[in-house]
This record gives sequence, structure tokens and C-alpha cells, in this order.
Amino acid sequence: NAGVTQTPKFQVLKTGQSMTLQCAQDMNHNSMYWYRQDPGMGLRLIYYSASEGTTDKGEVPNGYNVSRLNKREFSLRLESAAPSQTSVYFCASTRQGWVGNTIYFGEGSWLTVV
Amino acid sequence: GNSVTQMEGPVTLSEEAFLTINCTYTATGYPSLFWYVQYPGEGLQLLLKATKADDKGSNKGFEATYRKETTSFHLEKGSVQVSDSAVYFCALKGSNFGNEKLTFGTGTRLTIIP
Repeated sequence: NAGVTQTPKFQVLKTGQSMTLQCAQDMNHNSMYWYRQDPGMGLRLIYYSASEGTTDKGEVPNGYNVSRLNKREFSLRLESAAPSQTSVYFCASTRQGWVGNTIYFGEGSWLTVV
Repeated sequence: GNSVTQMEGPVTLSEEAFLTINCTYTATGYPSLFWYVQYPGEGLQLLLKATKADDKGSNKGFEATYRKETTSFHLEKGSVQVSDSAVYFCALKGSNFGNEKLTFGTGTRLTIIP
């Protein structure tokens, strides 16, 4: 029972390089999320997708793009990485329709930009 | 917008002590409230949740009651163990259909010493 799967788990980038974080869920969830976690700031929403074909900016979208490829997959792209994007990134998903539905998280992707 | 204010850490307790981590929120409508736990090097796991006022969520000896009158969802445990050492996040999910974003507090690091 995989749940939410993120890749890669660790990545080191040079400033200006690009990369894509992949996320897939096997729970048939409608809604998917990308968060970043920084010390002392909790988790902040980068982008949100309520359903296939739709995406919305969250609290900190600058420097990121997303693609909801299909119902299962939601990728996060850094076009030109900056040291300020050094963080831990979490993908999450939930079934839409009831506010009490649990949001499930992946194990995280540790990204360092040097 | 929605917001969650969580007790600042870190918190250090002796084994078998009583634990309280305070959490208050601001939200419109009827949100659901969650506590997530993050063990070192891992992703977030749901600890407990409550979906309406006066509901009590409980799991692994932890409890929290959804208090609408005080807009609070404090986490408690009667006797903590070393294995409870982790970071705890209070979170709120808004009740707008199709826009069910999860807003987090900043997290509280808990360390239990034998």
C-alpha cells in the first residue's frame, strides 16, 4: 500500500539549475498539494490542485511551476533554482468533498541548492 | 484567511510527565482540525483529528478537543514516553468545497528525556 510516493528523496542542485520533483498517489484522490518545510515556519503551501486539470497558487508559489499530469500525478518544477529554495518538500493528497477527510503526506524530498 | 497559532517550542519533558501543546485557530465557516506528528527524518503522519465542535480526537494516548468557543485544539497526553519525541503540527482544513487547503502551525519540537 504505497500511498503518496515522492522522488527523489535527496537532491543537490547548483544555483540556476532546473529540476522536477515527482509525486504520485494510488488512493484515487482528487486533491493534491505541494508544501515546503523550513525551520521555524512550519509547512507552507506552494501549489494546490483540486482536481485533474486545475491548479491554484498557495502561499509561496514564486519560483515554482506545477503540472497535474493526470489524477495520480502532480509534479513540482524549479526552473532556475536559488539557495532560498533549499528546503524539504512534501507532496500530499486527499479525497475531496468533506472537510474531515484526512490529508496524506509523502515522505519528503530534501533539496539543497548551492 | 485561515491561520493556526501553535505553542512555541522546543518542549523538554521527563518520561511520564503530562503534556499539553497549545493550538488556537482563526477560520471562517466550519473547519476540521488535525494534529500531525513528524519523527526525525520522516514525513508527516496523522495523529488525530476532529471534524466538528466538541469532537474529541484521540490516538496513541493523545487527545485533543475541538473547542469552537475558544477556537482551540490543544494536544494532551497524560504520560509521555521517550518514543513520543518528535515535532507536532496543529493544522486546519477549510470547509470550502474544492478549496480544501490545509493550513499549518509552525510546529512544536518535543523531547522526552528518560
